[in-house]
Amino acid sequence: DTAVSQTPKYLVTQMGNDKSIKCEQNLGHDTMYWYKQDSKKFLKIMFSYNNKELIINETVPNRFSPKSPDKAHLNLHINSLELGDSAVYFCASSQMTVREETQYFGPGTRLLVL
Amino acid sequence: AQTVTQSQPEMSVQEAETVTLSCTYDTSESDYYLFWYKQPPSRQMILVIRQEAYKQQNATENRFSVNFQKAAKSFSLKISDSQLGDAAMYFCAYRRSNTGNQFYFGTGTSLTVIP
Repeated sequence: DTAVSQTPKYLVTQMGNDKSIKCEQNLGHDTMYWYKQDSKKFLKIMFSYNNKELIINETVPNRFSPKSPDKAHLNLHINSLELGDSAVYFCASSQMTVREETQYFGPGTRLLVL
Repeated sequence: AQTVTQSQPEMSVQEAETVTLSCTYDTSESDYYLFWYKQPPSRQMILVIRQEAYKQQNATENRFSVNFQKAAKSFSLKISDSQLGDAAMYFCAYRRSNTGNQFYFGTGTSLTVIP
């Protein structure tokens, strides 16, 4: 049973294209996140949604738009892809109401923009 | 802003030996959580161990243990009896105790296990 899943695992696309990455969690968590991991392995948060509401929105270009249709899903849509968007994108989830809140990560999506 | 520092970009250890990965953090909070995550070549981020700042006892999980020094703001990870499968990037992370706060990750330490 995969707790946090992402699709696709790999995404190769041309500059200027629009693409989406999907994330689903079956842990019953109320909070989901998107992280970007660059080539130096630095992990930086992009967005966080709690019960479908945006609660963390770091300085990210407007070309990135998260969408949470329900608590179990948080999709990331990227418009007009640029070379610098190449990275591994991780989805994560947690239960915010629990004091021992721990994030559980998906397997990552490797995006390569040519 | 909270910062998490991992000063060892790379470490290596002989199989069956013990290795310690360092992590320091900066915070003015008294109550918070610290985590170690492992990222093997498969890229999956896997929780290794978690420590609550209000607990003085160091957390342990099988071969993994931490040395939590609150005054020094240090949170090192000790891996005993290292195995080939321990080879991975290890990330230290911090979160304030109030739920809903984001995690802050260090830059990672790449661990190589030598057979």
